[in-house]
Amino acid sequence: DQQVKQNSPSLSVQEGRISILNCDYTNSMFDYFLWYKKYPAEGPTFLISISSIKDKNEDGRFTVFLNKSAKHLSLHIVPSQPGDSAVYFCAASGGDGSSNTGKLIFGQGTTLQVKP
Amino acid sequence: DAGVTQSPTHLIKTRGQQVTLRCSPKSGHDTVSWYQQALGQGPQFIFQYYEEEERQRGNFPDRFSGHQFPNYSSELNVNALLLGDSALYLCASSLVSPTGELFFGEGSRLTVL
Repeated sequence: DQQVKQNSPSLSVQEGRISILNCDYTNSMFDYFLWYKKYPAEGPTFLISISSIKDKNEDGRFTVFLNKSAKHLSLHIVPSQPGDSAVYFCAASGGDGSSNTGKLIFGQGTTLQVKP
Repeated sequence: DAGVTQSPTHLIKTRGQQVTLRCSPKSGHDTVSWYQQALGQGPQFIFQYYEEEERQRGNFPDRFSGHQFPNYSSELNVNALLLGDSALYLCASSLVSPTGELFFGEGSRLTVL
């Protein structure tokens, strides 16, 4: 039972355009959602997060939107740059009813390629 | 400021052997979590250590065990290795935080032959 799903294994976007990465979840108890970026031969790096009580969080070129009724979140990158090419993981915490445990449930990842 | 460091970076074992992976957390962090990432998948939570005790565990068999030392560093031990244990093992450190933000190391790539 996969509680966090990223249904698009890959996405290709032209430099300067918008990249939209999607994520769906099934557990309504999740209280925080996070996006991580991973380059080859490196560990995942935290990008941006959003609390379940909010519907939008913005940090520079990165914006995360949360639609709780649809159990869906998305990461928007505007404008996309070649250096953004990486694997992006959606993750969620708090699904077991407890907070502060550091237990994240990850999606399978989406490989983003930004073409110059 | 050193981030999360893991050793070894790569290792090859045969079925039935035992392996120990090591992790030093980011300076100031007191909590260490271990994740297994199989090829093409997202990381899966193995367990978390805080104050030298296992605080939470994912759906992994008892062959997977760990330890946290007084300096907050940690070890992951896997006994009776199976071919399916081949994966990237990621260590992450954090402070107790409601957001769940973790800082990951580069990982230890384990291949079981």
